[in-house]
Amino acid sequence: AQSVAQPEDQVNVAEGNPLTVKCTYSVSGNPYLFWYVQYPNRGLQFLLKYITGDNLVKGSYGFEAEFNKSQTSFHLKKPSALVSDSALYFCAVRDGNSGGGADGLTFGKGTHLIIQP
Amino acid sequence: GAVVSQHPSRVICKSGTSVKIECRSLDFQATTMFWYRQFPKKSLMLMATSNEGSKATYEQGVEKDKFLINHASLTLSTLTVTSAHPEDSSFYICSAITGLTYNEQFFGPGTRLTVL
Repeated sequence: AQSVAQPEDQVNVAEGNPLTVKCTYSVSGNPYLFWYVQYPNRGLQFLLKYITGDNLVKGSYGFEAEFNKSQTSFHLKKPSALVSDSALYFCAVRDGNSGGGADGLTFGKGTHLIIQP
Repeated sequence: GAVVSQHPSRVICKSGTSVKIECRSLDFQATTMFWYRQFPKKSLMLMATSNEGSKATYEQGVEKDKFLINHASLTLSTLTVTSAHPEDSSFYICSAITGLTYNEQFFGPGTRLTVL
């Protein structure tokens, strides 16, 4: 079984400051990791993914995430937060060794990111 | 590209009725579609995996007879909530993958179901 932990229900950051949203995972095979953002009453928007290659992944809207295999983490980061970044962020994982790609994702519980002006 | 739509975006129904939600891939053929359910202030829970032309695979604890899934074509999957009850009220989100980008799921905008 696989799981994702997002230890913070909410993260508050002042506009212009760097932000980090934490994510740790557990999977038996190769971790395929994803970050999505959700605005109120909307579906999920893809931010970035790690499949293989460089541990530092760059994604949409200036976000990036670092894959750390030893710590089983995939924290989301941004150097300078914007008020418009305020939303609900989900980390997700699937086992890259199974299903040939046709597996659903296991999501963390989500972290509310609030950027204060 | 890779746009997924859902219809309706919002539905209110009476207890005991059935509701059908459509999920369409607009500009690609989806080899597999997934249905998720999101409770208020909670994460997304995978309900079932839908492959075109075959029976859906349901996750443990999801009632097959209550949540009927049909994947009739490579661009359409439907979720029917049968004999809906207030506890079925939720936000239902579908996603789709293609054979070319199987490592990325494309999500629909979601359907808000309210059962009175």
